[in-house]
Amino acid sequence: AQTVTQSQPEMSVQEAETVTLSCTYDTSESDYYLFWYKQPPSRQMILVIRQEAYKQQNATENRFSVNFQKAAKSFSLKISDSQLGDAAMYFCAYRSGIEETSGSRLTFGEGTQLTVNP
Amino acid sequence: KAGVTQTPRYLIKTRGQQVTLSCSPISGHRSVSWYQQTPGQGLQFLFEYFSETQRNKGNFPGRFSGRQFSNSRSEMNVSTLELGDSALYLCASSWGTGVQETQYFGPGTRLLVL
Repeated sequence: AQTVTQSQPEMSVQEAETVTLSCTYDTSESDYYLFWYKQPPSRQMILVIRQEAYKQQNATENRFSVNFQKAAKSFSLKISDSQLGDAAMYFCAYRSGIEETSGSRLTFGEGTQLTVNP
Repeated sequence: KAGVTQTPRYLIKTRGQQVTLSCSPISGHRSVSWYQQTPGQGLQFLFEYFSETQRNKGNFPGRFSGRQFSNSRSEMNVSTLELGDSALYLCASSWGTGVQETQYFGPGTRLLVL
């Protein structure tokens, strides 16, 4: 079974600064997908960024980028120019590339609560 | 396009009762997944439905069940409620079940069992 670990329960950053959230995962599969979701106080889960394991290039979405280290099974999220609206719980998630056995199932980490200080 | 909607948003029940939660996916989406979120266990997968068929099921007791209708709307039911069932229940929809599909989450239903 796959597991996802986020070792930082809480992080804080000053507005306009850069912060990196860590995530490690364990899997025996070679084909999979990794995600970062954001959950603000409204509780609505919002997709921030996704990474396909077969892609060597790290994904980037505006101020959000990832550092995907497949051999190390590490998937960190970097938020640049942090904004007050970035304050939320961030979840790292894993999805198997084997649709037949796992379907759409996402395996989530424990989450990292990000505080942005003005 | 309207997002995923879940009803009701908040619910209070007592132990032993049963509850039904509803999820309406984004128009055109045919896959619906359900998750339970609690402070102690985090986010856990409950089940997934596609074209009215359960495709995948998480490790939850038989008290948790679900179904999907021909219009892709999905319901989940919890019978004989326990205090530990208090949680935020999230549903997510996607167009299909392919690994390229992105799942979009609803706002959740917060269930409190007294």
